[in-house]
Amino acid sequence: EAGVAQSPRYKIIEKRQSVAFWCNPISGHATLYWYQQILGQGPKLLIQFQNNGVVDDSQLPKDRFSAERLKGVDSTLKIQPAKLEDSAVYLCASSLPGTGRYGYTFGSGTRLTVV
Amino acid sequence: AQTVTQSQPEMSVQEAETVTLSCTYDTSESDYYLFWYKQPPSRQMILVIRQEAYKQQNATENRFSVNFQKAAKSFSLKISDSQLGDAAMYFCAYMREPGGGSEKLVFGKGTKLTVNP
Repeated sequence: EAGVAQSPRYKIIEKRQSVAFWCNPISGHATLYWYQQILGQGPKLLIQFQNNGVVDDSQLPKDRFSAERLKGVDSTLKIQPAKLEDSAVYLCASSLPGTGRYGYTFGSGTRLTVV
Repeated sequence: AQTVTQSQPEMSVQEAETVTLSCTYDTSESDYYLFWYKQPPSRQMILVIRQEAYKQQNATENRFSVNFQKAAKSFSLKISDSQLGDAAMYFCAYMREPGGGSEKLVFGKGTKLTVNP
């Protein structure tokens, strides 16, 4: 079974620029999550999708972050404009519907550096 | 709001020895799930073990076991016969019983485990 694919693996941008991250979940996994992991901290949920609908985006900074999941498969997370404090690893994860309580499968993340 | 605390930023163990990583959490819920995830330098979070709060029996997975103390809100991870491949960041995480479909994990800050040969 192929894992959760993310790209790019690394990204360096200047503050106020825009950036986008891509995630392809495991085939058949209708639930998709984006987490932000700042250096020295544990991951924090940004948004959870069920198919192409948003289930939880309570911690997403909506003034600069947006996410979409067209067709209920791939997802894109965008930051516009980026700030220095957005430097972090962005992790994508997926699970079958209603099975998150058994643990998700994570991708290897995108490390973003904002300079 | 639920919080997870890992009080040991770093731990070390000799190969083949046993080590215990600590985790405490705060919640007013009675039904929830607890997890230990491992994050090697590859950055991928890997599920090590999970525990359902309504189960009194401690979970075990091969060399990994937990000590779940619900009243004390404590959830420690014991690694027996430590191997070099166990070296990684370990994160304790909490999930409340999903309501409205949200399956949010709340993570601690992690413990860096070093295994010495």
